[in-house]
Amino acid sequence: GENVEQHPSTLSVQEGDSAVIKCTYSDSASNYFPWYKQELGKRPQLIIDIRSNVGEKKDQRIAVTLNKTAKHFSLHITETQPEDSAVYFCAASRGTYQGGSEKLVFGKGTKLTVNP
Amino acid sequence: NAGVTQTPKFRILKIGQSMTLQCTQDMNHNYMYWYRQDPGMGLKLIYYSVGAGITDKGEVPNGYNVSRSTTEDFPLRLELAAPSQTSVYFCASSGARTGGGYTFGSGTRLTVV
Repeated sequence: GENVEQHPSTLSVQEGDSAVIKCTYSDSASNYFPWYKQELGKRPQLIIDIRSNVGEKKDQRIAVTLNKTAKHFSLHITETQPEDSAVYFCAASRGTYQGGSEKLVFGKGTKLTVNP
Repeated sequence: NAGVTQTPKFRILKIGQSMTLQCTQDMNHNYMYWYRQDPGMGLKLIYYSVGAGITDKGEVPNGYNVSRSTTEDFPLRLELAAPSQTSVYFCASSGARTGGGYTFGSGTRLTVV
């Protein structure tokens, strides 16, 4: 089955710096890669996702890149702010369908701390 | 829309007791999932369902059971609770309009003592 590795497990940056979180996956059939943000005591929330037919996707200060050949994808956060502090999870699945999403396999998470 | 609603939010069980974690969604999503989240271990899939009457095991199904009699409801049953089942449980759903992303419930924090 799919295995998703995520690094680093913790990341501390200064406000305004960039943060990068990397994930690798094992199943070459995976083609959907979302990222979730989870604040302390809250539910995970989708922040950005990418599909295998796209190499990069941006949404304001957040971007995700995908390298299907190397089976890795990364989350980039620029101009970090204290409110970006949270645990970030990457995930992978074999696809999305009209009725919903194939089951996601999650990485173990990265705790990001943005220091003011 | 309320989204995905989980009850209860917190529960303490004694070893050997049983309980049902409730999950309901009002978005007409076909796909529903149960995950457990242990500290530092990410989310692991317990069971999932692609529609009413259809369920399948995930990565960690032992000690749990599910049913999906309606599109809206996907309860998770714990039989003979064990300390290893202490965790936070998240229900999620996805559907035609989510583009693949999950909508998560607020979670149930379960402690088995």
